[in-house]
Amino acid sequence: AQKVTQAQTEISVVEKEDVTLDCVYETRDTTYYLFWYKQPPSGELVFLIRRNSFDEQNEISGRYSWNFQKSTSSFNFTITASQVVDSAVYFCALSSSQAGTALIFGKGTTLSVSS
Amino acid sequence: GAGVSQSPSNKVTEKGKDVELRCDPISGHTALYWYRQRLGQGLEFLIYFQGNSAPDKSGLPSDRFSAERTGESVSTLTIQRTQQEDSAVYLCASSLVVAGGPGDTQYFGPGTRLTVL
Repeated sequence: AQKVTQAQTEISVVEKEDVTLDCVYETRDTTYYLFWYKQPPSGELVFLIRRNSFDEQNEISGRYSWNFQKSTSSFNFTITASQVVDSAVYFCALSSSQAGTALIFGKGTTLSVSS
Repeated sequence: GAGVSQSPSNKVTEKGKDVELRCDPISGHTALYWYRQRLGQGLEFLIYFQGNSAPDKSGLPSDRFSAERTGESVSTLTIQRTQQEDSAVYLCASSLVVAGGPGDTQYFGPGTRLTVL
């Protein structure tokens, strides 16, 4: 079965704090892809990152970083020095051959950053 | 360039009426997807189109739901005899076909918020 679990429903932080959003996935495929999307209050999903199962290198993009660990089936997302504009719902998603063409989404984590 | 566009942005309808939702994918993207997002939930896959291949309808929740796509452009999602449980945001996404399905990055439109009274 394909499944994505985002155990944190809501997180509240104060500006400049670091915050990590957890994502745990399940799949029996050896080739799969993991994604993070941001959904700000406007509603449109914004693509953040795509990672394939053969690339376990961590990635950093500005204040964003991602930690992919196959041993724990996790693909966690860290925002460093959070800002109010980071307030949004963040979704982790999985795609693989078994899932067909669909992205399998977690239920999302709502991040609120206050000033 | 222009992203995925959807219309209308909001639709309020009465139970039992039919509705049509429209999606314009990114130019050049041959793959198109429809998802449904219920309040406070993640996205549920509905249907996928890729070129002239038969669409993947495995996510459609009932036969009241159908979708069409004209060539590699516009798609319409139709919900017949709407029910209150159909209230949700309907999101469209498109992608280039690079990896052949799994792995292709999907880019989403702003969605249509459907409210069934």
